[in-house]
Amino acid sequence: NAGVTQTPKFQVLKTGQSMTLQCAQDMNHEYMSWYRQDPGMGLRLIHYSVGAGITDQGEVPNGYNVSRSTTEDFPLRLLSAAPSQTSVYFCASSYSRGADEQYFGPGTRLTVT
Amino acid sequence: AQSVSQHNHHVILSEAASLELGCNYSYGGTVNLFWYVQYPGQHLQLLLKYFSGDPLVKGIKGFEAEFIKSKFSFNLRKPSVQWSDTAEYFCAVISNDYKLSFGAGTTVTVRA
Repeated sequence: NAGVTQTPKFQVLKTGQSMTLQCAQDMNHEYMSWYRQDPGMGLRLIHYSVGAGITDQGEVPNGYNVSRSTTEDFPLRLLSAAPSQTSVYFCASSYSRGADEQYFGPGTRLTVT
Repeated sequence: AQSVSQHNHHVILSEAASLELGCNYSYGGTVNLFWYVQYPGQHLQLLLKYFSGDPLVKGIKGFEAEFIKSKFSFNLRKPSVQWSDTAEYFCAVISNDYKLSFGAGTTVTVRA
């Protein structure tokens, strides 16, 4: 199994640009989530999904959209990038509704200039 | 939403010293508790978890953690650290809202 994969690994955007961070898992996990990691703030939940077709907001959802059309994929869309969205983004999945071990992807380092 | 507090931002130790990292959470109901570790340049990995039962849980690489419900705490310990334990450590809590909340993290530097 590849586990949780994320693309791209690095990205530089200009303010106002949009992009999609890709996340996929091959473990048939129901639960998937997106976090951003900022120095001194730990990981903060952006959006999560408890199954295909079901998404919900986390702690810091503003400026981000998600969809879950399949069990495997959970893309994160930045609608209009802002410098405040410069961060490292991690996708994670788990078997059930977040109550199990989370399996993390390798991360995407995003810089918005 | 949960809040998770990790008391130490940066801990510096010598090899063979003992390590204890504090973690407190705010929710008074049923919780599942985790410690994750992030080695330099790597993604997060699970060290250990507590769901129920024995409040003293053992994880990988000689780590253990004790759940004290009355203190809302889940402190991580290791009796004798190694240089390879240099990493960032995150406490995480999930309650019945299915939202996993992380603490701010503690950077541990072990000097040889």
